[in-house]
Amino acid sequence: GAVVSQHPSWVICKSGTSVKIECRSLDFQATTMFWYRQFPKQSLMLMATSNEGSKATYEQGVEKDKFLINHASLTLSTLTVTSAHPEDSSFYICSAVDATNEKLFFGSGTQLSVL
Amino acid sequence: GNSVTQMEGPVTLSEEAFLTINCTYTATGYPSLFWYVQYPGEGLQLLLKATKADDKGSNKGFEATYRKETTSFHLEKGSVQVSDSAVYFCALSLGFGNEKLTFGTGTRLTIIP
Repeated sequence: GAVVSQHPSWVICKSGTSVKIECRSLDFQATTMFWYRQFPKQSLMLMATSNEGSKATYEQGVEKDKFLINHASLTLSTLTVTSAHPEDSSFYICSAVDATNEKLFFGSGTQLSVL
Repeated sequence: GNSVTQMEGPVTLSEEAFLTINCTYTATGYPSLFWYVQYPGEGLQLLLKATKADDKGSNKGFEATYRKETTSFHLEKGSVQVSDSAVYFCALSLGFGNEKLTFGTGTRLTIIP
């Protein structure tokens, strides 16, 4: 079946640094990708919708200048957490829509810990 | 707004036990309902779905019925196996699944031999 590779699976960084998370569709083209995050004991919350070749659409309350999303190709979207702070520590997960059949596939997630 | 309330875990059961994970929702319009499963180290996978009231989704021995009158979509399995150990997410969308999803908190299920 279709696979979405998300990397890294976990990352620890110092406060003030930036962290990039990659989401790749390995065997299909994805015109649309979604980024979610989950804080402990809370729901997976949609952060933004990423469309190839255009600017991402952010959900209300998500800072676009802090969470930079780039979807420069049909197989890759990146989320960069800029100037990370401890409150950004969370589980981030991406999903991708297969352009040929509209099916949705998820990555395995990235656990970010900011010290 | 839309929301999904899911039974809190973790849930631990013995092999061959009966499983129920409760899920209720609030939504504007007529949502589609989903259960996703995440096995250790893997991405979320669609387990089953239902797109209209009274539909029953089923897969791998799991079932869930879309109950509009109780706004529920409880997940059930008659006899669980160790391999069912995973995190289960209830979700809804106002489309058919490739639009924005609203998730519950997830329920971690552990099956012991």
